[in-house]
Amino acid sequence: SQQGEEDPQALSIQEGENATMNCSYKTSINNLQWYRQNSGRGLVHLILIRSNEREKHSGRLRVTLDTSKKSSSLLITASRAADTASYFCATDPNRDDKIIFGKGTRLHILP
Amino acid sequence: GAVVSQHPSWVICKSGTSVKIECRSLDFQATTMFWYRQFPKQSLMLMATSNEGSKATYEQGVEKDKFLINHASLTLSTLTVTSAHPEDSSFYICSARDWGERGEWQETQYFGPGTRLLVL
Repeated sequence: SQQGEEDPQALSIQEGENATMNCSYKTSINNLQWYRQNSGRGLVHLILIRSNEREKHSGRLRVTLDTSKKSSSLLITASRAADTASYFCATDPNRDDKIIFGKGTRLHILP
Repeated sequence: GAVVSQHPSWVICKSGTSVKIECRSLDFQATTMFWYRQFPKQSLMLMATSNEGSKATYEQGVEKDKFLINHASLTLSTLTVTSAHPEDSSFYICSARDWGERGEWQETQYFGPGTRLLVL
């Protein structure tokens, strides 16, 4: 079963604009991770935020976590064509090794 | 960072044949690996957890006799799709966690590049 729900399902923006994707989940978690997947390729880990953290930055990425609302957001600033990909959030709802992925947001950066 | 490889990257086979997919951790030992399946424009669905030296743990709805998993060493797990049918056509991805230099599980899972299976 899937734990996370991203929205929007698809997003198209102009190059240079900021892109925001949201993820909601259902149960308590240890951490939440964001991954990127280029078409037909494997997943690339972007960032991990722990349940006791509220915000984290990595380069042009900014992730927030609101455990009271069971939601997270991923902000990509100054988007580039190379950011075109699908983005997934993943959580560890059972606090074991397994991580469960959301449905993903397909981001398309227009030149 | 840790690297996970998969082989083959793609495979086309006839219905009824069996296909073996390998997942290797290249620069770290992985006592636990995970197998996912992804259909077009959908998310990754966890199929099973592969444990070195013991039986795999399958998720609900995944046929263990259909998807055979063997984790014979600390760096290799294999997934065999037995008697493959067109509905088994999918993108199969494995992942692994690294024990880490400081002797603790790293939270990040490292994913292989995936294997695209097409069953005719």
